[in-house]
Amino acid sequence: SAVISQKPSRDICQRGTSLTIQCQVDSQVTMMFWYRQQPGQSLTLIATANQGSEATYESGFVIDKFPISRPNLTFSTLTVSNMSPEDSSIYLCSVGRTDGGELFFGEGSRLTVL
Amino acid sequence: AQSVTQLGSHVSVSEGALVLLRCNYSSSVPPYLFWYVQYPNQGLQLLLKYTSAATLVKGINDFEAEFKKSETSFHLTKPSAHMSDAAEYFCAVSDPSLTGGFKTIFGAGTRLFVKA
Repeated sequence: SAVISQKPSRDICQRGTSLTIQCQVDSQVTMMFWYRQQPGQSLTLIATANQGSEATYESGFVIDKFPISRPNLTFSTLTVSNMSPEDSSIYLCSVGRTDGGELFFGEGSRLTVL
Repeated sequence: AQSVTQLGSHVSVSEGALVLLRCNYSSSVPPYLFWYVQYPNQGLQLLLKYTSAATLVKGINDFEAEFKKSETSFHLTKPSAHMSDAAEYFCAVSDPSLTGGFKTIFGAGTRLFVKA
């Protein structure tokens, strides 16, 4: 298993500002994933972050809005840029297990945009 | 493309009763299937997974699920519900043949209520 720490755990932000979420893993992992969970809804994959290369974004998500950094094998950040109330969500960092395919999740970062 | 459908956004059972949460999947290749649970204000944790071995999979807290290819289903069951089982449950599918095959698609989730 992997232990994943996310910061901040929650924040209240003003419209038009940006916030960076940090994700720290206790072991080296090749791939990290960022998911969004809007209120009362399921998880939607935002992007896959590989160390040493640009993140791969899913349909509907763009780098200008959600820039991602992956400077090493244990750390990643997701920035939510120019926030609007529609960005109010839980953002979850996850890593995958190479042999079984399951994901391990951080506890999430709950953002509220006013 | 893969997809997951969870039947019933809310399920309510009495304590001690059978829990049945339904999940149907769509995949063009033999998939990996998962059930995750999310307790309030927490991230997701794995309950159980199917990865092409035994079709009846046992997980934590007495949960189990059966992979039925003919029905494209992966329903989650527990013989006797406990109050602590109240949570959101997500069925998920991934394609192990993809490079970096962890790309996982989640169902909409089913909230389980347990009545005393």
